[in-house]
Amino acid sequence: GAVVSQHPSWVICKSGTSVKIECRSLDFQATTMFWYRQFPKQSLMLMATSNEGSKATYEQGVEKDKFLINHASLTLSTLTVTSAHPEDSSFYICSARVLTGHSNQPQHFGDGTRLSIL
Amino acid sequence: GQQLNQSPQSMFIQEGEDVSMNCTSSSIFNTWLWYKQDPGEGPVLLIALYKAGELTSNGRLTAQFGITRKDSFLNISASIPSDVGIYFCAGRGGNEKLTFGTGTRLTIIP
Repeated sequence: GAVVSQHPSWVICKSGTSVKIECRSLDFQATTMFWYRQFPKQSLMLMATSNEGSKATYEQGVEKDKFLINHASLTLSTLTVTSAHPEDSSFYICSARVLTGHSNQPQHFGDGTRLSIL
Repeated sequence: GQQLNQSPQSMFIQEGEDVSMNCTSSSIFNTWLWYKQDPGEGPVLLIALYKAGELTSNGRLTAQFGITRKDSFLNISASIPSDVGIYFCAGRGGNEKLTFGTGTRLTIIP
């Protein structure tokens, strides 16, 4: 089945540090990947849609200069949290949809990255 | 952002019991998906529904896409300990984005 790998799985760093999270589709190509944020005991909230070869589309209220997204290939998207602060501490999860001519393909999720800013 | 109304919020059941949860929306969706999330992990797809009225099973799990396209339910029969976790519904509209439900936390009492 479709596998999405996310790295790292856990990051602890000091306030002001920039953190990069990678999302890879291991056995399929994905023109579109999605980045979500999940706070404790809450649901997943879409942050942005990552499009291969073009700019990401951000949801309302998500700062594009704070959360930099790069989707340079059909199998890799990266999310960089710039100058992270404690309020950015959260569980970040990416997903990807299999690229086919058929529109009915579900999103497959990575295992998430837990970001803790001290 | 928008979230779907999912109920119940939590369930405490005994092993072997059946489970039922549902999701409702004020918006129409083209696809309904059900995911399970274990602590510290990403959601895992359980069932995908693509047509209004569709009833689909995956082992002990059964889900239906509501006729109005604004709701869906998930049933789990004869629950086992590994069913413990948080279940999320998700609706997908024409823009390919997923809107997630608020989640149902399932706990099995020994």
